[in-house]
Amino acid sequence: EIVLTQSPATLSLSPGEGATLSCRASENVGRQFAWYQQKPGQAPRLLIIDASNRATGIPARFSGSVSGTDFTLTISSLEPEDFAVYYCQQRYNWPFTFGQGTRLEIK
Amino acid sequence: QVPLQESGPRLVKPSETLSLTCDVSALSMNSDYYWAWIRQTPGKGLEWIGSFCHIGNTHYNPSVEGRVTISLDTSKNHLFLSLTSVTAADTAVYYCARHGRPYSGSGSSYGWFDPWGQGTLATVSS
Repeated sequence: EIVLTQSPATLSLSPGEGATLSCRASENVGRQFAWYQQKPGQAPRLLIIDASNRATGIPARFSGSVSGTDFTLTISSLEPEDFAVYYCQQRYNWPFTFGQGTRLEIK
Repeated sequence: QVPLQESGPRLVKPSETLSLTCDVSALSMNSDYYWAWIRQTPGKGLEWIGSFCHIGNTHYNPSVEGRVTISLDTSKNHLFLSLTSVTAADTAVYYCARHGRPYSGSGSSYGWFDPWGQGTLATVSS
């Protein structure tokens, strides 16, 4: 199965700062890649699909990019509601797999 | 209205069968979609369990294949998960979710889980 490795495990930043979250795939997944946001007590929420397209209703401060097997989620200017756990996911092959998550916490 | 709603026993004994239901009545059950179960544990994070489409395609994670059955009752708008021979390692929050099916009207959303249910915690313990 395709393994997704996220880094860092925890990112401590202040509101207004920019955030960069990374995910590396163990093999090529093309652009078959997504990012999710999860807040405590809630289900994950789809943020980015196809590596760089925002899902419906997602603010423009969220963006995704890819270089080979390295994927990046960028939040341009953190809002208080952005502090959460972020997961990456691939759909390139069954079984679909997720990364282990990056916790974005308030510094 | 919550689009997907999971329900089922919160406590299951080891070696028994975990059975969960997801009410999908708020969404269209046409054959353009897969219906999936995903679980989340502190140790393993998010794990896709399997996806079912009522035109006959079913995919399961090899980690649970042989123990898992996903099915759909279109008359009741219910998605089911059955996981046999459970152990403590199956203790998790279980989510149901929907994703698109390739070569269909929902093909662009193939593999992208949206929406999700709110999740239900199932604990395996004697």
